Amino acid sequence: DSGVTQTPKHLITATGQRVTLRCSPRSGDLSVYWYQQSLDQGLQFLIQYYNGEERAKGNILERFSAQQFPDLHSELNLSSLELGDSALYFCASSAGTVNYGYTFGSGTRLTVV
Amino acid sequence: GENVEQHPSTLSVQEGDSAVIKCTYSDSASNYFPWYKQELGKGPQLIIDIRSNVGEKKDQRIAVTLNKTAKHFSLHITETQPEDSAVYFCASLYGQNFVFGPGTRLSVLP
Repeated sequence: DSGVTQTPKHLITATGQRVTLRCSPRSGDLSVYWYQQSLDQGLQFLIQYYNGEERAKGNILERFSAQQFPDLHSELNLSSLELGDSALYFCASSAGTVNYGYTFGSGTRLTVV
Repeated sequence: GENVEQHPSTLSVQEGDSAVIKCTYSDSASNYFPWYKQELGKGPQLIIDIRSNVGEKKDQRIAVTLNKTAKHFSLHITETQPEDSAVYFCASLYGQNFVFGPGTRLSVLP
């Protein structure tokens, strides 16, 4: 157990729908990072939050949004889902704004049908 | 921006042999290079890392070497075991976040 908790582990939904993925960082970590892992794209950085504030943005679609709450857990919201959004979504956490070595959760597998 | 290439994409070795995975990066300002191991159904796990002021780092059967001039770094696994079978990702710290290589699927054959 890495200490980073992601729920749900699996999610199957239809095109056009909206889903929310949840991440609880490792105890004491203030930064949360979201990554998308698909077969043909590898690990793609989506967005980072540090202590409740957005810190960095990667290749995140406008249909996707995220937030980090006062208790430091984070949610990634995916809307108007398309077949191509099917992927593994990982959350990672670190102590500071930049840390030498993320800790990843075990991921949420999203299948859009 | 930073680009990280990784080779080979797949690698099969006999148990007990060594495995080497190589990565190249494009931005000379990058100064930290971790390696992650991802087993089936799990998230990536940090196995070793190296900073730009060091040329080599070892941890038991795993070592990483860095050539800053050539902008490449390599993962070396000696005396491979079946439990080393996984996908390995290299990464480069670019700005405040990591850019990952596309991954290498390592299979250790008994």
